[in-house]
Order: sequence, then C-alpha cells, then structure tokens
Amino acid sequence: GQQLNQSPQSMFIQEGEDVSMNCTSSSIFNTWLWYKQDPGEGPVLLIALYKAGELTSNGRLTAQFGITRKDSFLNISASIPSDVGIYFCAGQETSYDKVIFGPGTSLSVIP
Amino acid sequence: EAGVAQSPRYKIIEKRQSVAFWCNPISGHATLYWYQQILGQGPKLLIQFQNNGVVDDSQLPKDRFSAERLKGVDSTLKIQPAKLEDSAVYLCASSLYRGNEQYFGPGTRLTVT
Repeated sequence: GQQLNQSPQSMFIQEGEDVSMNCTSSSIFNTWLWYKQDPGEGPVLLIALYKAGELTSNGRLTAQFGITRKDSFLNISASIPSDVGIYFCAGQETSYDKVIFGPGTSLSVIP
Repeated sequence: EAGVAQSPRYKIIEKRQSVAFWCNPISGHATLYWYQQILGQGPKLLIQFQNNGVVDDSQLPKDRFSAERLKGVDSTLKIQPAKLEDSAVYLCASSLYRGNEQYFGPGTRLTVT
C-alpha cells in the first residue's frame, strides 16, 4: 500500500536556527499536506500543496511540492520554542481520497 | 467556534473488555473521520462518514471495531473485545465537506492491559 517516509525522525536545534525536513512516498500524490501535533492534541494543518513544483509559505514556514509528486519539503526559519512538536507530512491521491500520514519528525528547540 | 469534542480523554481497560469513544464534530460539518494513532506513528484512518453514511471503512477491523453516526452529527466508536495492540490514541476529525480541511479533536488515549 501507499507509504510515506519522513526524515529526519527527530531533531534538536538551537532557537533561531532554520529547520528542514522532508517526506518521500512510494507512490504519486496529487495533494501534499503538512500538519503539526502538540502533546495531548490532535494534528493541526499548517500548509496544503496542490500542484507539482508549488512553493507555499505560512509565516516562517515554507513547503514545496516536489516535481516528481513523490516528495515534499518543509522549512521553518528562525525557530522559536513554540515550534516544538511533531510534524507530519500527509498525501492524498485526490482531495476526496483518504489522507495518508507519514511517521512524523519530532522537533525540539533548545532556548 | 467550538472545536471537535471527544470523550473520554483517557481510558484504561483490560484485554477482552469493551470500550466506547464519543465524538462531537464542529457544528455543520458533514464529514466525520475516526483515526487510530499508535505511539510513534502517524494517524491511520479507520472510518469516514458523510452525514450518517459510511464513505470508507476499508481499514476498520470489523471483527472487533464498529462505529456509527446515527443522526449525522455525533459519533461513537466501539471496540469489543479489546486486544493489547489496540492501545493507541483515537482521534476524531471533521470537515465541512469531503475534500475540505480536517479539524482534529484532542483524542482519546486508550491503554489495554
């Protein structure tokens, strides 16, 4: 079945540093989504991407839809302590299909 | 606007017992989802409702799991009998329509001993 891989699995960074994480798929997706989950809460949608090559920003977050449609990237600039959490990529074949989640990247920010 | 509500927040049961979770979606949202999130993994869709009809239950272990959304509003997910591997967080989400952004509740953490 469809499977997503995320790297790195976890990362520890200093406050103020930039962060990059990526997501790869065994199959093509036509929608890529990035979520953040805080402890004890459900995931919250950060960015949605709908077109190969698309680059979309949301504040300090920037995500890209890979041109092969089998990968996506998320960058966070100038990290702050509230960026701590687990970041999930997710893909859909179409926006009406079920959302397939990756295993997540755990981010820790050292003040 | 109130978010997705779930209860209970935590539940501990012994294997072979039964358990039920409740979800109240955001008002007016037609689509409701139940996900299972095992520790260290991303959420996995168990079942999706459109109003009170099932759209996708292909990943629901139907021998022990059941879910209903009788009036097209709130929903219950039941496990009977529970197994150790059912220990997970059960997340409910809702969206205005299929294909719209999903809003997640805080989840119910289930521990099966």
